[in-house]
Amino acid sequence: AQTVTQSQPEMSVQEAETVTLSCTYDTSESDYYLFWYKQPPSRQMILVIRQEAYKQQNATENRFSVNFQKAAKSFSLKISDSQLGDAAMYFCAPNAGGTSYGKLTFGQGTILTVHP
Amino acid sequence: DTGVSQNPRHKITKRGQNVTFRCDPISEHNRLYWYRQTLGQGPEFLTYFQNEAQLEKSRLLSDRFSAERPKGSFSTLEIQRTEQGDSAVYLCASSLGDEQYFGPGTRLTVT
Repeated sequence: AQTVTQSQPEMSVQEAETVTLSCTYDTSESDYYLFWYKQPPSRQMILVIRQEAYKQQNATENRFSVNFQKAAKSFSLKISDSQLGDAAMYFCAPNAGGTSYGKLTFGQGTILTVHP
Repeated sequence: DTGVSQNPRHKITKRGQNVTFRCDPISEHNRLYWYRQTLGQGPEFLTYFQNEAQLEKSRLLSDRFSAERPKGSFSTLEIQRTEQGDSAVYLCASSLGDEQYFGPGTRLTVT
């Protein structure tokens, strides 16, 4: 079974600054996918960024990038030039492995506050 | 653009009653997932369909829970003899590729 640990229950950042959210996981799979999801107060979960474990290159999506360390089983999310709309709960979620469409295992989440 | 929809959005029921939730996925999506989220926690996987076939069920899905996806379209999640511990938000997601698109959830309160 997979386990996911997000060790930062809450984080805060000033608008336009950079923040990094951490995530570690445990899996016995060798091939899997990792996702960061954002859940604003309205509760609709939105995909932020994804990473294929077999790719060494870290994924980037506009202001969002990841630092993926496969051997350490670490998958952190960096948000650059933070905006007020980035305020939300962020979840790290690896999938079941082997395919891109397996069930997701979510961490406990990190609440991000953005100060103007 | 019609995303994943869930009905009802809120449900209050008394302990021991049965409840049924509905999820309408994005029309061309062949995979459908149910998750449960309690306050301050991340969602937990319940079950997963590919078309009409239920391929996986979590141990969280006790005998009181049943899910169906007739004809591979919408899905229903039924909880029989509800307990206070069933109070949670029930999330549905659908996918065609690797991105799961989530609905707004159904908030269940068992009194």
